[in-house]
Amino acid sequence: GIQVEQSPPDLILQEGANSTLRCNFSDSVNNLQWFHQNPWGQLINLFYIPSGTKQNGRLSATTVATERYSLLYISSSQTTDSGVYFCAENNAGNMLTFGGGTRLMVKP
Amino acid sequence: EADIYQTPRYLVIGTGKKITLECSQTMGHDKMYWYQQDPGMELHLIHYSYGVNSTEKGDLSSESTVSRIRTEHFPLTLESARPSHTSQYLCASSEFVYTEAFFGQGTRLTVV
Repeated sequence: GIQVEQSPPDLILQEGANSTLRCNFSDSVNNLQWFHQNPWGQLINLFYIPSGTKQNGRLSATTVATERYSLLYISSSQTTDSGVYFCAENNAGNMLTFGGGTRLMVKP
Repeated sequence: EADIYQTPRYLVIGTGKKITLECSQTMGHDKMYWYQQDPGMELHLIHYSYGVNSTEKGDLSSESTVSRIRTEHFPLTLESARPSHTSQYLCASSEFVYTEAFFGQGTRLTVV
């Protein structure tokens, strides 16, 4: 089946620092999404990005479908950025397959 | 802004009870999903639906059942809850197969 791997699994940053989260997937991509799971468990959509680059404020994402990876950039991190970041990929037509997540803690 | 709602948000229930977790969306999406997630871990698909009267099992075996009588409603039922069912359950929907999926706020279930 499809494999989605995220790195690093855990990340601790000082407020104001920048970071890059990576998502590798094993097959061609039709749908690639990045989510932020807040401390209350809710999944917040960050990007729908099967290819190319998108930016939203301090966050941006790039997917290189031919090389089967996607990157999420967080600039000038804030404590509210803490939580778990998931990427998820859909190419089987019936489900989003999630990676294991990156647990981010931003310290003040 | 996604319009997909789950109730209850939190549920503590005794072993052997029957429970139904509700999920509703107002976006007219045909595809709906249920995922199960242990705290801090990845999400696993347990059920999905392509539309009314369509239900399929996901890649993670589950003792729960689902129904899809109306486009907007996709409830999940456990006939006899057990402590092993303790988890977070997340409902999602998307317009088409490969389009953006949106998640509800989740239901945290604890079976004692």
